[in-house]
Amino acid sequence: ETGVTQSPTHLIKTRGQQVTLRCSSQSGHNTVSWYQQALGQGPQFIFQYYREEENGRGNFPPRFSGLQFPNYSSELNVNALELDDSALYLCASSDILLETQYFGPGTRLLVL
Amino acid sequence: DAKTTQPTSMDCAEGRAANLPCNHSTISGNEYVYWYRQIHSQGPQYIIHGLKNNETNEMASLIITEDRKSSTLILPHATLRDTAVYYCIVRVGGATNKLIFGTGTLLAVQP
Repeated sequence: ETGVTQSPTHLIKTRGQQVTLRCSSQSGHNTVSWYQQALGQGPQFIFQYYREEENGRGNFPPRFSGLQFPNYSSELNVNALELDDSALYLCASSDILLETQYFGPGTRLLVL
Repeated sequence: DAKTTQPTSMDCAEGRAANLPCNHSTISGNEYVYWYRQIHSQGPQYIIHGLKNNETNEMASLIITEDRKSSTLILPHATLRDTAVYYCIVRVGGATNKLIFGTGTLLAVQP
């Protein structure tokens, strides 16, 4: 167990809807990264948050957005859901200095 | 794109050492090699990382060649619970600490 928690564990949405996923970082960690993992693929980096600011972004469209709160927890928001957004969404927390990322269990999103 | 190449799958007998290879021929001098594993769609689990020297912890050993172009993860006594996809990752340096995953190696530990 890493101490990183995510909610919900599973979610079903329809195309065009919006979704918010949540992540609580491990105690003492100030950085949260989000990844998308499609079936049969390795996780793909979406973005990272440090001190409530976006600190790097992968090749994802603007309808993927995020927030980080003063307690270092984070949200991932996806607007205008598409079928291809169906995936396991992972968050990972780390300390900006020590840098090793520890992953939560993920949220499995199904878009119909 | 991932900077590593790994075999798609490997088998190992229970109780024997599992040696998982990884090539990272374009690694830069200040880039670390990280290993994670993922058991059946759970979140990836951190195993070990290293820069130049060999590393060992309670889970595994990491052997990095002198030219740093390849490495081997060693699970000394594999158990059935070690069946998982193992990812070798070169962590990209810079302001953003992001991990670029490849497709990994599916290690199947056989009884």
